[in-house]
Amino acid sequence: QVQLVQSGAEVQKPGASVKVSCKASGDTFNSYTISWVRQAPGQGLEWMGRIIPLSNTPNHAQKFQGRVSISADESTKTVYMELSSLTSNDTAIYYCARCDRTNWHCDLWGRGTLVSVSS
Amino acid sequence: VLTQSPGTLSLSPGERVTLSCRASHSVSSYFLSWYQKKPGQPPRLLIYGAFSRATGIPDRFSGSASGTDFTLTISSLEPEDFAVYYCQLYGFFGGGTKVEIK
Repeated sequence: QVQLVQSGAEVQKPGASVKVSCKASGDTFNSYTISWVRQAPGQGLEWMGRIIPLSNTPNHAQKFQGRVSISADESTKTVYMELSSLTSNDTAIYYCARCDRTNWHCDLWGRGTLVSVSS
Repeated sequence: VLTQSPGTLSLSPGERVTLSCRASHSVSSYFLSWYQKKPGQPPRLLIYGAFSRATGIPDRFSGSASGTDFTLTISSLEPEDFAVYYCQLYGFFGGGTKVEIK
């Protein structure tokens, strides 16, 4: 069954970093991009960035430039999203999603990883 | 980049729903998608390329486009359709429209 399996919930302190993983199955890894989208409590969806796993080429939303790192490990079909300098505003559910390379639509989503930032 | 309206709609099952998404500049409809989001669940792709239904999406959902204006229509609301709907263009999401039970 094609799916994206994300790592478990995290609790981090302000100023720390968090690394969330997203393991893909099937042909998901090579034929698509993997995007990261987050949703803070009571807020809408926010696109953070994406990677083309085949070429390990990431790009990020300008808002997160310098703070987010997206990488891929082809051997384990896993994509990672690391977010640094965390604040309480980063408390959110983080989703990975399989997306079309050209028209950006995302048809397969992980179940989400809750990241809580609290002192 | 993307403005969705209205913010909230209060409707009854069986009603027809029209949700709006306006882009700030001219874009190809090829890049416009619609998603449904329910609490505790990941987003669900409904429409891609402005007009095409995703796999398994009922035909009561349809998408259309006119210039910078994109529309998601639900022809007759089912109880399971009460949710928040988002449009997406490239790496941008609209603010969402909540469809709630009246």
